Amino acid sequence: LAKTTQPISMDSYEGQEVNITCSHNNIATNDYITWYQQFPSQGPRFIIQGYKTKVTNEVASLFIPADRKSSTLSLPRVSLSDTAVYYCLGGANNLFFGTGTRLTVIP
Amino acid sequence: EAGVVQSPRYKIIEKKQPVAFWCNPISGHNTLYWYRQNLGQGPELLIRYENEEAVDDSQLPKDRFSAERLKGVDSTLKIQPAELGDSAVYLCASSSAGAFLYEQYFGPGTRLTVT
Repeated sequence: LAKTTQPISMDSYEGQEVNITCSHNNIATNDYITWYQQFPSQGPRFIIQGYKTKVTNEVASLFIPADRKSSTLSLPRVSLSDTAVYYCLGGANNLFFGTGTRLTVIP
Repeated sequence: EAGVVQSPRYKIIEKKQPVAFWCNPISGHNTLYWYRQNLGQGPELLIRYENEEAVDDSQLPKDRFSAERLKGVDSTLKIQPAELGDSAVYLCASSSAGAFLYEQYFGPGTRLTVT
């Protein structure tokens, strides 16, 4: 399984844009990059998935450079309810979660 | 549409006792996953089923853990005997072939405490 590396934690004020970068140096040619969000006492929830360039949905944007060795999850104008752990998955079957990034949104 | 259902939500047992967790995936989802999540860590895959077949059980501690998905729908994960280190949240997820590869839907999990 290709493993990923992301910051352990990040803090942000409400209303700001948050960018979380994930490194996946060994990603295979046919692998997708997937991001999940997890709140306490809940299972992870799918946020977004992409293969290359940029993907946007109603929740977030995902930027993937041409070499695909990293990706950036962008959360626009975060609110307190965005406080959660965010996981980047980039490997065979997208099943390796790692330790994730704990995002804390500050009032 | 009902989500992934897991039971029980909480379980406290003494070490060396057996325990079982049950999962009912979203209707029509042919892929089912069991994960274990330790405190402060991300979920770790234990086993993945495609219909009735276990296609990836390389991380399942087979000396004490077993799983089944007899009719390709619901599934049971069993630990016998439980050890103190098995205390964790056990998550079940399901997915189907769709617009997003491996978009998994997770249940709320079962929090196991072994004393």
